[in-house]
Amino acid sequence: EVQLVESGGGLVQPGGSLRLSCAASGFTFRSFWMHWVRQVPGKGLVWVARISGDGTWTYYADSVRGRFTISRDNAESTVFLQMSGLRAEDTAIYYCARDDSPSLPYWGHGTLVTV
Amino acid sequence: SYVLTQPPSVSVAPGETARVTCGGDDIGVKSVHWYQQKPGQSPTLVIFYDSTRRPGVPERLSGSNSGNTATLTISRVEAGDEADYYCQIWDTSNDQWVFGGGTKLTVL
Repeated sequence: EVQLVESGGGLVQPGGSLRLSCAASGFTFRSFWMHWVRQVPGKGLVWVARISGDGTWTYYADSVRGRFTISRDNAESTVFLQMSGLRAEDTAIYYCARDDSPSLPYWGHGTLVTV
Repeated sequence: SYVLTQPPSVSVAPGETARVTCGGDDIGVKSVHWYQQKPGQSPTLVIFYDSTRRPGVPERLSGSNSGNTATLTISRVEAGDEADYYCQIWDTSNDQWVFGGGTKLTVL
């Protein structure tokens, strides 16, 4: 069974940093691209970032490029989102999701970041 | 960047048919995917590649895509269908993944 479990969310001051983690299990982690998607409570889904299976390729939404960094540790089956220069508008639930291009069939439960 | 436009809300009586639209420039040439999100839960993929139901999704849910509009159709609506629905495409021109703004389906 595919499982994605996010952690690392919390309260942070504007301008601060936070690192989110997403632990994956139930599939061959290194074979899949992974995503971060965020959602302001009560609002819509917004794609944040994507990383290739080997970590070579990364893509970002314009709103976070230069401030957020997506990375992964395939030995630990974990994907990360390093967030810096945080702003109030970054407050959201952050979900990780597995990429079965071109859709996202597996999502974690999310972790709340409050700036 | 590519924009997907959804109506904020759709209301329908039980047993009727609900149609949730997703507008985009020439969206008919793209693959559209639909997610259902119930309160307090993560999104769930229900339709992919325009019209393919994910295993376990009722046949009452169907999708279509043509021209500038993709549509999620829910027939014989039930109370349990009440949720937010999001369309999504992969804009390969700049490798951006795009979600519509979401539509809240209310069952009257």
